[in-house]
Amino acid sequence: DQQVKQNSPSLSVQEGRISILNCDYTNSMFDYFLWYKKYPAEGPTFLISISSIKDKNEDGRFTVFLNKSAKHLSLHIVPSQPGDSAVYFCAARYGGSQGNLIFGKGTKLSVKP
Amino acid sequence: NAGVMQNPRHLVRRRGQEARLRCSPMKGHSHVYWYRQLPEEGLKFMVYLQKENIIDESGMPKERFSAEFPKEGPSILRIQQVVRGDSAAYFCASSPIGQTYNEQFFGPGTRLTVL
Repeated sequence: DQQVKQNSPSLSVQEGRISILNCDYTNSMFDYFLWYKKYPAEGPTFLISISSIKDKNEDGRFTVFLNKSAKHLSLHIVPSQPGDSAVYFCAARYGGSQGNLIFGKGTKLSVKP
Repeated sequence: NAGVMQNPRHLVRRRGQEARLRCSPMKGHSHVYWYRQLPEEGLKFMVYLQKENIIDESGMPKERFSAEFPKEGPSILRIQQVVRGDSAAYFCASSPIGQTYNEQFFGPGTRLTVL
């Protein structure tokens, strides 16, 4: 039973446009959410995170939005660049824990020049 | 400041052999996590260790798998009598102590192939 779901396995976007990656979760005990970016044959790289007490966090071209009532978060990349092409994983962590992250299956983003 | 290091990067074993995967956390990090990624899947948590202690091994298979993080040296994930289904990418992550919300920093992974 997947607690973190990324329902779009792939997304293709034109360079300069906005990329929107979506993530849904089922467990209301999650209190921290993270996005990781992964290139082939490399480990995931931390991108941006958000606490459940916030609804938005922004870092340069990357913004994460959290809708707790809908148990939904999204990552916006504006403007998208070809170097953003990678697999993006959404991850969640239980409240008060320093323990494990629960990952979605990932969305492969392709940004075309 | 070196990142999380894992070795070997690629490991080939025949069925029935043992696999040992090593992970050196980032400097100053005392928390280590192991994850496994099967093809077309997300990362699945296996075990969480601090120095000389296993904190959470709820994601570890009950048999053939073990992990340690000794006082000195890297963390080791050991798989005994490997089977084809163990073929996967194994990632180690580390995080520092003292932070409430710890991002985990990942190594490049070890790709295990069982023939």
